[in-house]
Amino acid sequence: DIQMTQSPSSLSASVGDRVTITCRASQSIISFLNWYQQKPSKAPKLLIYAASTLQSGVPSRFTGGGSGTDFTLTINSLQPEDFATYYCQQSYTSPWTFGQGTEVEIK
Amino acid sequence: EVQLLESGGGWVQPGGSLRLSCAASGFTFSSYAMSWVRQAPGKGVEWVSAVSGTGNSIDYADSVKGRFTISRDNSKSTLYLQMNSLRAEDSAVYYCAKDRVRYSSGPDAFDIWGQGTMVTVSS
Repeated sequence: DIQMTQSPSSLSASVGDRVTITCRASQSIISFLNWYQQKPSKAPKLLIYAASTLQSGVPSRFTGGGSGTDFTLTINSLQPEDFATYYCQQSYTSPWTFGQGTEVEIK
Repeated sequence: EVQLLESGGGWVQPGGSLRLSCAASGFTFSSYAMSWVRQAPGKGVEWVSAVSGTGNSIDYADSVKGRFTISRDNSKSTLYLQMNSLRAEDSAVYYCAKDRVRYSSGPDAFDIWGQGTMVTVSS
């Protein structure tokens, strides 16, 4: 199975900050990497697919990058509604595995 | 509006069975692969099972293989998960999720999720 490791596990940031979350795959997944946002008691929401393509309706302050084994999710100018947990997920091969999550908290 | 609505969760004793349903609306159900994804309380997200749009291609996580069965009824736009031999570690919120891409052989990205249904396995 491909292991997905996110860092950090949690971070504290202020409104307006730029935040970067890293996701590392245990083997190359080319660009088959998706990012989700989850708020408490809600289902995850797709933000970015294929490593860098913004899902329809997602604000442009979210950007994804990377390829191979190393990927990033950057949130430019953090907004109050962005405080949530973020997950990466590989769609390269079954089983379709998720990272352990990164919780973005208010400083 | 594209929507997924799960039902069928509840409390069951270890070794018991439950059948989850996911009613879809707002899109051509038969054109999309569908998955079940679960999340134990306070834990991360785990993919459980996927089925292609036709139902001919099915896949399971090792943790549920041989105990869970995914199926779909395209005439009813409904996805199912039959869960047998349930264990305490199966306790979780179960989400159904739609694949982003039409006619894909396997999950690409999960672009629509239901609200989830809670399954509790406990004596």
